[in-house]
Amino acid sequence: DVKVTQSSRYLVKRTGEKVFLECVQDMDHENMFWYRQDPGLGLRLIYFSYDVKMKEKGDIPEGYSVSREKKERFSLILESASTNQTSMYLCASSGSYSYEQYFGPGTRLTVT
Amino acid sequence: GENVEQHPSTLSVQEGDSAVIKCTYSDSASNYFPWYKQELGKRPQLIIDIRSNVGEKKDQRIAVTLNKTAKHFSLHITETQPEDSAVYFCAASEAGNMLTFGGGTRLMVKP
Repeated sequence: DVKVTQSSRYLVKRTGEKVFLECVQDMDHENMFWYRQDPGLGLRLIYFSYDVKMKEKGDIPEGYSVSREKKERFSLILESASTNQTSMYLCASSGSYSYEQYFGPGTRLTVT
Repeated sequence: GENVEQHPSTLSVQEGDSAVIKCTYSDSASNYFPWYKQELGKRPQLIIDIRSNVGEKKDQRIAVTLNKTAKHFSLHITETQPEDSAVYFCAASEAGNMLTFGGGTRLMVKP
């Protein structure tokens, strides 16, 4: 069974704080993704990584950065959190030979 | 970039009835179309997908149809059951990895 875990289920941060969200997968997947999920907007891709240290911007990268120093770990960084970044953040991974994405449980981030 | 629209946003059916969710996409180069199901409080999971070289795919009570000319695809669930209640997301992709999702459909199956 593919296992994708995220560092926190719930997080409350103040405006202007630096926020780190971590994702770890145990299936040696090459691809990892960060999405944010908002009602009525579906899942929107923030960043995608296809290899260690490699990344591509998704549809909404503004205000976010990512880091992938090890194959199994993909971090999402909010340099200076703002209230409009309050959302559910989902990490996912997929292998080279299948397009199926396996999602983590999500982190509900509230920025006050 | 790709744009995926999904309708309806909510759908309520009686147990045993069929449910149909429709999606349209904008990029004619898209060739991979998955559907994900997200139960309340849980993570999205792939339930079925279709590639552009086929027009229909079935898996027990669920089926997906694709019309490349019209750039739309649909999810069909027959003999709905209460456990089908969830949010369903369609998506489209050209390369398979970077998915563009629709806004989601909340399906409620009333016993």
